[in-house]
Amino acid sequence: KQEVTQIPAALSVPEGENLVLNCSFTDSAIYNLQWFRQDPGKGLTSLLLIQSSQREQTSGRLNASLDKSSGRSTLYIAASQPGDSATYLCAVSEGTSGSRLTFGEGTQLTVNP
Amino acid sequence: DAMVIQNPRYQVTQFGKPVTLSCSQTLNHNVMYWYQQKSSQAPKLLFHYYDKDFNNEADTPDNFQSRRPNTSFCFLDIRSPGLGDAAMYLCATSRDLKGTGQPQHFGDGTRLSIL
Repeated sequence: KQEVTQIPAALSVPEGENLVLNCSFTDSAIYNLQWFRQDPGKGLTSLLLIQSSQREQTSGRLNASLDKSSGRSTLYIAASQPGDSATYLCAVSEGTSGSRLTFGEGTQLTVNP
Repeated sequence: DAMVIQNPRYQVTQFGKPVTLSCSQTLNHNVMYWYQQKSSQAPKLLFHYYDKDFNNEADTPDNFQSRRPNTSFCFLDIRSPGLGDAAMYLCATSRDLKGTGQPQHFGDGTRLSIL
């Protein structure tokens, strides 16, 4: 059974810092990996999707990497801002058709002004 | 532009009283999903529809059912809600089932409380 772990569970940084969030998964037979952002009481916003054949994806200040063989992904946030404060979730797509997303429990990020 | 819309945002029901949550999408995606997310936990897939084909996760309680009358709408029915069913329920869509390159798009969720 796939297990997804995110470390750290919570992170507090001053504004302007670069930071890295970590995600690991136990079964490397995945179709893709997605990073999401969740604001309190809200749904999930997709940030980046990395296909299993890719190594990284970039969007603005965000960069996500994937090392499928070692079961690891990182989300790098450059020049953090208070508006980046949220919970960040990673999820791997698996199952016979890739339909199932298995999530980690997330990293709660606080960026202090 | 809202693409996955869940109604209501907040739902309160009584212990044992059936409740229905709704989800609609304007993306014309083939696949719709329902997830349950309890406080500070990871979202957990309950089931998904590929077009009209229903797929239940093995550990989804029998208390939970779903209907998809057309491409745009999907409903989550909880027949006899218990206190343990209090959670955020998230609806998501994807264009197709093939996992590669197919992001899932989520609604804002319905927070269900049980009295």
